[in-house]
Amino acid sequence: QKEVEQNSGPLSVPEGAIASLNCTYSDRGSQSFFWYRQYSGKSPELIMFIYSNGDKEDGRFTAQLNKASQYVSLLIRDSQPSDSATYLCAVRGGGADGLTFGKGTHLIIQP
Amino acid sequence: DTGVSQDPRHKITKRGQNVTFRCDPISEHNRLYWYRQTLGQGPEFLTYFQNEAQLEKSRLLSDRFSAERPKGSFSTLEIQRTEQGDSAMYLCASSLQETQYFGPGTRLLVL
Repeated sequence: QKEVEQNSGPLSVPEGAIASLNCTYSDRGSQSFFWYRQYSGKSPELIMFIYSNGDKEDGRFTAQLNKASQYVSLLIRDSQPSDSATYLCAVRGGGADGLTFGKGTHLIIQP
Repeated sequence: DTGVSQDPRHKITKRGQNVTFRCDPISEHNRLYWYRQTLGQGPEFLTYFQNEAQLEKSRLLSDRFSAERPKGSFSTLEIQRTEQGDSAMYLCASSLQETQYFGPGTRLLVL
C-alpha cells in the first residue's frame, strides 16, 4: 500500500523566515509529486509540482525532490501570515492516476 | 468562474437516505477524480474518469457508492443507504494532463 508521510505539526515559523516542509513516500514507482495548500474549511489549492530530481523554484516557493531517498520538500521564503495553512504533499504514479496524499503539515506564520 | 464547481456545497441527511453530488469540471479537462476527506486527514482517492470511462476505483469505494460521467462532462457521485461514517468532505478534481485542480467540495453530514 502506498503511503505518504508528513509531520502533522504545527510548525511555527516567524514572519519573514524560511518555512521548510517535508514529505516521504513509500512507492518507488511514484513519478509525480505535488504540493497543495489548504486553508481551514476550504479545498486544496495547487502550489507546485515536480517530476525530476533536484530543485524547482516558483516565486517564494521551492520544491525539492530526491527520488533515491524518496523525499520531497517545500521551502517557503519570506514567510507571510497568509501562508498559515495546512500543506498537503501528494504523490502520483506506480500505475495509478489518483493522487495519494499525506495527512498534511499545519504551518503557522507568527507575525 | 471557469474552475471546478460542485453542488450542493453542504448536505445534511439522515442515516439510511441516499444522496447524490454533482461535479462540473473545467471545460476542456477530460479527466475527473473524486476524493473524500475527513477531519485531520488528507484527501483519499475514490475514483477516476477519463472522458466517460471509469478507469480506476479505490477499494474505499464500497458497493454503496456509485459514480457516473455519462457524456464525459459533468459527473455524479451517489451514496446509497448513508451511514454516519460517510460524513466527510467530498472533493472533485479535474485535469487535462498531470495537474489536478480541486473544486470547493461538498460537505456531507449524516445524522
